[in-house]
Amino acid sequence: RKEVEQDPGPFNVPEGATVAFNCTYSNSASQSFFWYRQDCRKEPKLLMSVYSSGNEDGRFTAQLNRASQYISLLIRDSKLSDSATYLCVVSVLYNTDKLIFGTGTRLQVFP
Amino acid sequence: GAGVSQSPSNKVTEKGKDVELRCDPISGHTALYWYRQRLGQGLEFLIYFQGNSAPDKSGLPSDRFSAERTGESVSTLTIQRTQQEDSAVYLCASSFGNPGLAGRETQYFGPGTRLLVL
Repeated sequence: RKEVEQDPGPFNVPEGATVAFNCTYSNSASQSFFWYRQDCRKEPKLLMSVYSSGNEDGRFTAQLNRASQYISLLIRDSKLSDSATYLCVVSVLYNTDKLIFGTGTRLQVFP
Repeated sequence: GAGVSQSPSNKVTEKGKDVELRCDPISGHTALYWYRQRLGQGLEFLIYFQGNSAPDKSGLPSDRFSAERTGESVSTLTIQRTQQEDSAVYLCASSFGNPGLAGRETQYFGPGTRLLVL
């Protein structure tokens, strides 16, 4: 089983739609969780951290469910500029802060 | 520059040649990471440096791959006797390296080196 699993998509949604991605992780000791965004042929960039209580940043909402070991990302009122690959990232805190990246979920927003 | 820089941006080499990729992390970042991303694939962890600790080399795919870091600055990733399957984008990232401190573990990526082995 992969340490971090995501549905690769693509998710094709119209502008204005709400779309949600889920990600599961296998290590119950994982401590930190993030969503990164990667545009085509670009490097990944941090979108948002995911806190236990859930957090919101504008149109983006991230949730963490430790019992079920999954995190989610909800995008409301999708924009064309949201088209990208969204990477689920988990920090495995043994004696390092090595991050484990999922393979990403591709989102395509169309007019 | 404030970001992570990598060089070269593109590298084309012949099978069997050695290549050296360079990463300049953000000043003050103690942690540095190398990843590989094949076309259409996710990020594959290669190696991680944190301060003066022994590097975590658990992701290196073979003994043809090695990396060094000078203090808390520049790192080089060396691939010996390159193979066609080594073709990928090699990404470097750096962070403050403080696990558990919100915001301190965020990794900032360089633009990558696109390696093509013919």
